[in-house]
Amino acid sequence: QSVLTQPPSVSAAPGQNVTISCSGSNSNFKNNFVSWYQQLPGTAPKLLIFDTNKRPTGIPDRFSGSKSGTSATLGITGLQPGDEADYYCGTWDSSLDVVFGGGTKVTVL
Amino acid sequence: QLQLQESGPGLVKPSETLSLTCTVSGGSISNPPSYWGWIRQSPGKGLEWLGSLYYTGATHYNPSLESRVTVSVDTSKNQFSLKLTSVTAADTAVYYCARDGLDCGGSACTNWFDPWGPGTLVTVSS
Repeated sequence: QSVLTQPPSVSAAPGQNVTISCSGSNSNFKNNFVSWYQQLPGTAPKLLIFDTNKRPTGIPDRFSGSKSGTSATLGITGLQPGDEADYYCGTWDSSLDVVFGGGTKVTVL
Repeated sequence: QLQLQESGPGLVKPSETLSLTCTVSGGSISNPPSYWGWIRQSPGKGLEWLGSLYYTGATHYNPSLESRVTVSVDTSKNQFSLKLTSVTAADTAVYYCARDGLDCGGSACTNWFDPWGPGTLVTVSS
């Protein structure tokens, strides 16, 4: 059971937009920033979003992050076949230190 | 370009100690001052943070594993290491090392991991 709650899966056709939710609590999301990771099949996770809404160099602006209260959202616009992967949210928790969501599998139909 | 690489035994017997090393290349483990962390992923499961340390050696651990986990650093070799004692089959996982961007300055904390090593599968079995 992960501290942060994500939907197990989302799917959409190429070109469509998807959002992935990540639900936390006051002990983590209230004051802290969120990070998101993309894990392509058989590879290590890659940082996609940090500080809730910032993209590392090289990450396309099709990926975006936001937070409201104790929930965060990853948005992907113009879904591509190469976006098919598992996505994880993460943050700092005042009691547990580093916590992750259970992951969301994105399927491109 | 910073790169990390995990190394260590791929098979560990139950009740023994799992030991892994992460070698950092393309940059210094102590400059700029950084945290470095270990994360694992059991087969078909999500990510679980194990522990992190600052380049000075200061550590913080996952409370659920704190009694069994030790993370240490060797700045002369540009490496940091993980030890997990009394392993069971439940510790079978891919183990990743990564730079930890932890910063709790001010009233909020930010935490992210980048880059990651490719990961190494450790199987606990007799």
